[in-house]
Amino acid sequence: QKEVEQNSGPLSVPEGAIASLNCTYSDRGSQSFFWYRQYSGKSPELIMFIYSNGDKEDGRFTAQLNKASQYVSLLIRDSQPSDSATYLCAVNYNFNKFYFGSGTKLNVKP
Amino acid sequence: NAGVTQTPKFQVLKTGQSMTLQCAQDMNHNSMYWYRQDPGMGLRLIYYSASEGTTDKGEVPNGYNVSRLNKREFSLRLESAAPSQTSVYFCASCSKGINSPLHFGNGTRLTVT
Repeated sequence: QKEVEQNSGPLSVPEGAIASLNCTYSDRGSQSFFWYRQYSGKSPELIMFIYSNGDKEDGRFTAQLNKASQYVSLLIRDSQPSDSATYLCAVNYNFNKFYFGSGTKLNVKP
Repeated sequence: NAGVTQTPKFQVLKTGQSMTLQCAQDMNHNSMYWYRQDPGMGLRLIYYSASEGTTDKGEVPNGYNVSRLNKREFSLRLESAAPSQTSVYFCASCSKGINSPLHFGNGTRLTVT
């Protein structure tokens, strides 16, 4: 069983603050890592992916990967109320087999 | 470009009834997946098909069967529905390559009474 762990939250941050979402995974063979956003009643939508150690930035979003610690995180800068959603961490293991964490609910307060 | 299309969007079954959830993608993707999502449990992989002609079990395959009909279509069948199968079902697809993300359909909300 490949485990992907996330804090279920809710994580509450004020508008304009940085939201930090964390994910750990159990299998060192995991190859790439994805962050999805899911609004209530909707399907998951891709935010970004990362596969190399270090940081990757895309607009207000930064993904961070530390394979030695088996840890991946997502930072959201200048958080907006529209960022309020559940954030899912997904791990790609063994080429195109994806496992998901249970998600972290983020609330951004105006 | 429709992406991943799932039918139906909603379904209510009685215990013991059978049904097939349909999924089709028009992105020429090789791999297709079925997930279920229950409150507080994230997405759990039921079955997947790495390529046309192959299918493999995921984390929670019991009570389900799948058919990869062709490259575009991947169906999920419940032979004898149980209340424990009440869930939201998502079909997804992706192309080859370790950095290829999953693309999701809009989901099927299934209730088994």
